[in-house]
Amino acid sequence: QKEVEQNSGPLSVPEGAIASLNCTYSDRVSQSFFWYRQYSGKSPELIMSIYSNGDKEDGRFTAQLNKASQYVSLLIRDSQPSDSATYLCAVTQGAQKLVFGQGTRLTINP
Amino acid sequence: DAGVIQSPRHEVTEMGQEVTLRCKPISGHNSLFWYRQTMMRGLELLIYFNNNVPIDDSGMPEDRFSAKMPNASFSTLKIQPSEPRDSAVYFCASSTRSSYNSPLHFGNGTRLTVT
Repeated sequence: QKEVEQNSGPLSVPEGAIASLNCTYSDRVSQSFFWYRQYSGKSPELIMSIYSNGDKEDGRFTAQLNKASQYVSLLIRDSQPSDSATYLCAVTQGAQKLVFGQGTRLTINP
Repeated sequence: DAGVIQSPRHEVTEMGQEVTLRCKPISGHNSLFWYRQTMMRGLELLIYFNNNVPIDDSGMPEDRFSAKMPNASFSTLKIQPSEPRDSAVYFCASSTRSSYNSPLHFGNGTRLTVT
């Protein structure tokens, strides 16, 4: 089992719709969870972090965490073409080591 | 804030040659990470440092890879000898402190091609 698993996609969503990205992780003691966005040919950039169970909202983005199910998700409301990118889920292992999933490629269709 | 600075941006070399990648972390950040990204394996952690000390190098593929951090503002990743399977994008990242909730700030990466 991979430490962090994501559906590689591609995930295609019409403009204005909600994009839903999912991630599962194997280490039950992980404490911190991050979503990074990576445009083609660019470096990953942090868009959301979440540390406790429940939802966390930031603008059009909502991160959801369920530690019992070892599941993290990212919702993007009112999707825009500029949201087209690869979204990487990252989970801490131990004190600081950050492990990434393979990423989900998201395409927003105008 | 200049961000994490990596050099070179692109490196093309022949198999067997030595390659050195360089990184300058964000000033004040005391943790530095080296990652490698490929289509097949995604983003893999190679090694990370806290306060210039290597903490976890379990991701370093083999003895051909070595990393150093001689001071708080500079780190190198060296591959000697290089092989075609080392071709990848190598990212350096830094964070503010050694705690579980510090996000990483990535450099622009070095795209390495070994022919």
